[in-house]
Amino acid sequence: AQSVAQPEDQVNVAEGNPLTVKCTYSVSGNPYLFWYVQYPNRGLQFLLKYITGDNLVKGSYGFEAEFNKSQTSFHLKKPSALVSDSALYFCAVRDISGGYNKLIFGAGTRLAVHP
Amino acid sequence: EPEVTQTPSHQVTQMGQEVILRCVPISNHLYFYWYRQILGQKVEFLVSFYNNEISEKSEIFDDQFSVERPDGSNFTLKIRSTKLEDSAMYFCASSERPHENNSPLHFGNGTRLTVT
Repeated sequence: AQSVAQPEDQVNVAEGNPLTVKCTYSVSGNPYLFWYVQYPNRGLQFLLKYITGDNLVKGSYGFEAEFNKSQTSFHLKKPSALVSDSALYFCAVRDISGGYNKLIFGAGTRLAVHP
Repeated sequence: EPEVTQTPSHQVTQMGQEVILRCVPISNHLYFYWYRQILGQKVEFLVSFYNNEISEKSEIFDDQFSVERPDGSNFTLKIRSTKLEDSAMYFCASSERPHENNSPLHFGNGTRLTVT
Protein backbone atom coordinates (compact mmCIF):
# COMPACT_ATOMS: atom_id res chain seq x y z
CA ALA A 1 0.00 0.00 0.00
CA GLN A 2 1.09 3.55 -0.67
CA SER A 3 2.06 5.60 2.35
CA VAL A 4 4.04 8.61 3.48
CA ALA A 5 5.62 9.32 6.84
CA GLN A 6 6.48 12.64 8.39
CA PRO A 7 8.78 11.80 11.29
CA GLU A 8 8.60 15.20 13.00
CA ASP A 9 5.49 16.56 14.68
CA GLN A 10 7.03 20.02 14.86
CA VAL A 11 10.00 21.85 13.40
CA ASN A 12 11.29 25.07 14.95
CA VAL A 13 13.41 27.44 12.88
CA ALA A 14 14.70 30.95 13.35
CA GLU A 15 13.69 33.47 10.73
CA GLY A 16 16.28 33.72 7.98
CA ASN A 17 17.62 30.23 8.56
CA PRO A 18 17.09 27.37 6.11
CA LEU A 19 14.29 24.97 6.87
CA THR A 20 13.67 21.33 6.10
CA VAL A 21 10.46 19.39 6.66
CA LYS A 22 10.99 15.68 6.21
CA CYS A 23 8.91 13.14 4.35
CA THR A 24 9.58 9.55 3.40
CA TYR A 25 7.42 7.44 1.16
CA SER A 26 6.58 3.84 0.46
CA VAL A 27 5.06 3.09 -2.92
CA SER A 28 4.86 0.33 -5.46
CA GLY A 29 5.81 1.66 -8.83
CA ASN A 30 6.59 5.26 -9.64
CA PRO A 31 5.87 7.73 -6.86
CA TYR A 32 3.70 10.79 -7.41
CA LEU A 33 4.41 13.05 -4.45
CA PHE A 34 2.91 16.31 -3.26
CA TRP A 35 3.34 18.92 -0.56
CA TYR A 36 0.42 20.90 0.82
CA VAL A 37 0.35 23.66 3.44
CA GLN A 38 -2.47 24.47 5.84
CA TYR A 39 -2.67 27.88 7.47
CA PRO A 40 -4.90 28.35 10.54
CA ASN A 41 -8.59 28.06 9.72
CA ARG A 42 -7.84 27.47 6.06
CA GLY A 43 -7.93 24.53 3.69
CA LEU A 44 -4.90 22.81 2.27
CA GLN A 45 -3.00 24.72 -0.37
CA PHE A 46 -0.93 23.00 -3.02
CA LEU A 47 2.78 23.83 -2.84
CA LEU A 48 4.50 21.52 -5.31
CA LYS A 49 4.55 18.07 -6.83
CA TYR A 50 7.00 15.52 -8.14
CA ILE A 51 5.97 13.39 -11.08
CA THR A 52 9.08 12.65 -13.12
CA GLY A 53 12.14 14.53 -14.23
CA ASP A 54 14.38 16.73 -12.13
CA ASN A 55 14.84 15.60 -8.57
CA LEU A 56 14.67 19.18 -7.31
CA VAL A 57 11.15 20.52 -7.64
CA LYS A 58 10.39 24.21 -7.18
CA GLY A 59 7.03 25.33 -5.85
CA SER A 60 5.10 28.23 -4.43
CA TYR A 61 6.36 30.78 -1.88
CA GLY A 62 10.02 29.92 -2.47
CA PHE A 63 9.68 26.31 -1.36
CA GLU A 64 11.37 23.43 -3.08
CA ALA A 65 11.54 19.70 -2.49
CA GLU A 66 14.19 17.16 -3.24
CA PHE A 67 13.20 13.74 -4.47
CA ASN A 68 15.68 11.06 -3.42
CA LYS A 69 14.88 7.63 -4.76
CA SER A 70 17.60 5.76 -2.88
CA GLN A 71 16.45 7.19 0.44
CA THR A 72 12.75 7.16 -0.55
CA SER A 73 12.48 10.73 0.66
CA PHE A 74 10.84 13.91 -0.53
CA HIS A 75 11.93 16.59 1.93
CA LEU A 76 10.53 20.10 1.72
CA LYS A 77 13.08 22.89 1.91
CA LYS A 78 13.42 26.64 1.86
CA PRO A 79 16.72 28.53 1.94
CA SER A 80 15.51 31.33 4.22
CA ALA A 81 12.48 30.91 6.47
CA LEU A 82 9.91 33.63 7.09
CA VAL A 83 7.67 34.01 10.13
CA SER A 84 4.74 33.83 7.71
CA ASP A 85 5.81 30.30 6.73
CA SER A 86 4.56 29.08 10.11
CA ALA A 87 1.85 26.56 9.30
CA LEU A 88 1.03 22.86 9.09
CA TYR A 89 2.70 21.02 6.23
CA PHE A 90 1.46 17.79 4.72
CA CYS A 91 3.27 15.40 2.45
CA ALA A 92 1.05 13.24 0.23
CA VAL A 93 1.33 10.44 -2.29
CA ARG A 94 -1.10 9.52 -5.01
CA ASP A 95 -2.64 6.14 -4.34
CA ILE A 96 -2.88 4.15 -7.52
CA SER A 97 -4.18 0.98 -5.94
CA GLY A 98 -7.90 1.59 -5.95
CA GLY A 99 -8.23 4.39 -8.42
CA TYR A 100 -6.46 7.28 -9.88
CA ASN A 101 -7.68 10.21 -7.86
CA LYS A 102 -6.94 9.61 -4.20
CA LEU A 103 -4.22 11.20 -2.11
CA ILE A 104 -2.74 9.58 0.96
CA PHE A 105 -1.56 12.22 3.42
CA GLY A 106 1.08 12.13 6.09
CA ALA A 107 0.27 13.13 9.65
CA GLY A 108 1.54 16.64 9.11
CA THR A 109 4.43 18.65 10.52
CA ARG A 110 3.90 21.94 12.28
CA LEU A 111 6.50 24.50 11.26
CA ALA A 112 7.15 27.32 13.70
CA VAL A 113 9.41 30.13 12.50
CA HIS A 114 10.56 32.43 15.28
CA PRO A 115 11.60 36.07 14.74
CA GLU B 1 -7.74 33.20 -8.06
CA PRO B 2 -10.81 30.94 -8.08
CA GLU B 3 -11.50 29.18 -4.80
CA VAL B 4 -13.43 26.22 -3.48
CA THR B 5 -15.98 27.53 -0.98
CA GLN B 6 -17.58 25.54 1.81
CA THR B 7 -20.54 26.30 4.03
CA PRO B 8 -21.08 26.41 6.90
CA SER B 9 -17.68 26.94 8.47
CA HIS B 10 -18.87 25.29 11.67
CA GLN B 11 -21.82 22.95 12.19
CA VAL B 12 -22.96 21.66 15.56
CA THR B 13 -25.48 18.84 15.59
CA GLN B 14 -26.88 16.26 17.95
CA MET B 15 -26.09 12.59 17.59
CA GLY B 16 -28.52 10.88 15.25
CA GLN B 17 -29.36 14.00 13.28
CA GLU B 18 -28.77 14.44 9.57
CA VAL B 19 -26.32 17.05 8.33
CA ILE B 20 -25.55 18.36 4.89
CA LEU B 21 -22.22 19.98 4.20
CA ARG B 22 -22.08 22.20 1.16
CA CYS B 23 -19.33 22.97 -1.28
CA VAL B 24 -19.00 25.04 -4.42
CA PRO B 25 -16.06 23.70 -6.45
CA ILE B 26 -14.07 25.79 -8.89
CA SER B 27 -16.30 26.34 -11.89
CA ASN B 28 -14.29 24.64 -14.64
CA HIS B 29 -13.28 21.68 -12.51
CA LEU B 30 -14.78 18.30 -13.23
CA TYR B 31 -13.62 16.14 -10.35
CA PHE B 32 -14.79 16.56 -6.80
CA TYR B 33 -13.68 15.08 -3.51
CA TRP B 34 -14.42 14.98 0.17
CA TYR B 35 -11.71 14.46 2.78
CA ARG B 36 -11.92 14.66 6.53
CA GLN B 37 -9.49 15.37 9.34
CA ILE B 38 -10.32 14.24 12.85
CA LEU B 39 -8.66 16.54 15.35
CA GLY B 40 -4.99 15.71 15.67
CA GLN B 41 -5.13 12.98 13.04
CA LYS B 42 -4.37 12.58 9.36
CA VAL B 43 -6.33 14.00 6.48
CA GLU B 44 -8.31 11.01 5.16
CA PHE B 45 -9.91 10.44 1.78
CA LEU B 46 -13.66 9.85 1.82
CA VAL B 47 -14.95 9.92 -1.74
CA SER B 48 -14.34 11.15 -5.25
CA PHE B 49 -17.03 12.10 -7.74
CA TYR B 50 -17.06 12.56 -11.48
CA ASN B 51 -19.73 12.74 -14.13
CA ASN B 52 -22.51 12.59 -11.56
CA GLU B 53 -21.36 9.42 -9.93
CA ILE B 54 -18.95 8.21 -7.28
CA SER B 55 -15.67 7.15 -8.84
CA GLU B 56 -14.09 5.89 -5.64
CA LYS B 57 -14.88 5.74 -1.94
CA SER B 58 -12.98 4.74 1.16
CA GLU B 59 -13.94 2.32 3.91
CA ILE B 60 -15.01 5.31 6.00
CA PHE B 61 -17.66 6.23 3.45
CA ASP B 62 -20.34 3.78 4.57
CA ASP B 63 -24.09 3.80 4.02
CA GLN B 64 -24.51 6.76 6.35
CA PHE B 65 -22.72 8.98 3.85
CA SER B 66 -23.88 10.18 0.47
CA VAL B 67 -22.81 12.81 -2.02
CA GLU B 68 -24.75 14.71 -4.58
CA ARG B 69 -24.33 17.37 -7.18
CA PRO B 70 -27.86 18.75 -7.15
CA ASP B 71 -27.21 21.51 -9.66
CA GLY B 72 -24.38 22.84 -11.80
CA SER B 73 -22.47 24.42 -8.96
CA ASN B 74 -22.99 22.71 -5.60
CA PHE B 75 -21.47 19.49 -4.33
CA THR B 76 -22.87 18.19 -1.05
CA LEU B 77 -21.94 15.61 1.56
CA LYS B 78 -24.81 14.21 3.62
CA ILE B 79 -24.44 12.24 6.81
CA ARG B 80 -27.78 10.62 7.57
CA SER B 81 -27.47 9.81 11.25
CA THR B 82 -24.45 11.43 12.82
CA LYS B 83 -22.30 9.70 15.41
CA LEU B 84 -19.92 11.22 17.90
CA GLU B 85 -16.99 9.87 15.91
CA ASP B 86 -18.11 11.85 12.85
CA SER B 87 -16.84 14.99 14.56
CA ALA B 88 -14.07 16.26 12.30
CA MET B 89 -13.07 18.92 9.83
CA TYR B 90 -14.51 18.05 6.43
CA PHE B 91 -12.70 19.35 3.36
CA CYS B 92 -14.12 19.58 -0.10
CA ALA B 93 -11.69 19.62 -3.03
CA SER B 94 -11.85 19.82 -6.78
CA SER B 95 -9.46 19.30 -9.65
CA GLU B 96 -9.51 20.11 -13.28
CA ARG B 97 -8.34 16.67 -14.24
CA PRO B 98 -7.91 13.49 -12.24
CA HIS B 99 -4.68 12.67 -10.56
CA GLU B 100 -3.95 10.35 -13.38
CA ASN B 101 -2.75 13.50 -15.03
CA ASN B 102 -1.53 14.80 -11.68
CA SER B 103 -3.34 18.10 -11.64
CA PRO B 104 -3.39 19.27 -8.04
CA LEU B 105 -6.40 19.30 -5.78
CA HIS B 106 -7.77 22.66 -4.70
CA PHE B 107 -9.23 22.52 -1.20
CA GLY B 108 -11.87 24.58 0.52
CA ASN B 109 -11.38 26.00 4.01
CA GLY B 110 -13.35 23.16 5.55
CA THR B 111 -16.45 22.69 7.67
CA ARG B 112 -15.87 21.81 11.29
CA LEU B 113 -18.57 19.34 12.29
CA THR B 114 -19.18 18.85 16.00
CA VAL B 115 -21.53 16.06 17.03
CA THR B 116 -22.77 16.26 20.61
